Amino acid sequence: EVQLVESGGGLVQPGGSLRLSCAASGFTFSSYWMSWVRQAPGKGLEWVANIKQDGSEKYYVDSVKGRFTISRDNAKNSLYLQMNSLRAEDTAVYYCARGEMVTGYWGQGTLVTVSS
Amino acid sequence: AIRMTQSPSSFSASTGDRVTITCRASQGISSYLAWYQQKPGKAPKLLIYAASTLQSGVPSRFSGSGSGTDFTLTISCLQSEDFATYYCQQYYSYPLAFGQGTKLEIK
Repeated sequence: EVQLVESGGGLVQPGGSLRLSCAASGFTFSSYWMSWVRQAPGKGLEWVANIKQDGSEKYYVDSVKGRFTISRDNAKNSLYLQMNSLRAEDTAVYYCARGEMVTGYWGQGTLVTVSS
Repeated sequence: AIRMTQSPSSFSASTGDRVTITCRASQGISSYLAWYQQKPGKAPKLLIYAASTLQSGVPSRFSGSGSGTDFTLTISCLQSEDFATYYCQQYYSYPLAFGQGTKLEIK
């Protein structure tokens, strides 16, 4: 069974940093693109970033370029999102998802709250 | 960046109804469109990709159509479990983009 479990969310002050993790199991992690998608409270879905199987290609939504970094460790079956210079508008549930463009498997999400 | 616009943003329907949700892209995206269903407090669930291909395990009462800029998601006979929010997503080009969502409520 495919499982994606996010962790690392929490409350952080504006300008602060946070690193999200996603532990994958039930499939060959190194064979799939992986993505992060977020959802602000009461709002719609927003694609954030994705990363190729070997990490050689990464894409980001404009609003996080230069602040967020997606990475992966295939030996640990893990996906990461390093978030720096956080802003109030980054407050959201962050979902880890399997796939490059169309994501058929999602984690349960981890909440990031940016507030003073 | 390609913008996705869904209509309506919300509406009410009854069990057994046939409902259609529309999604329009700001420029042509061929058939690079997916539909997701999301229930409160849950992760989205993929329903349809390539505009009309049903994801494995999704009931056949769901169907998708369209290409270019105009797309539709149709639920042929609403069931109680179908009341949720629906999102379209283009994957023709980066940045990937979702529509704002259509909330389907019980009448």
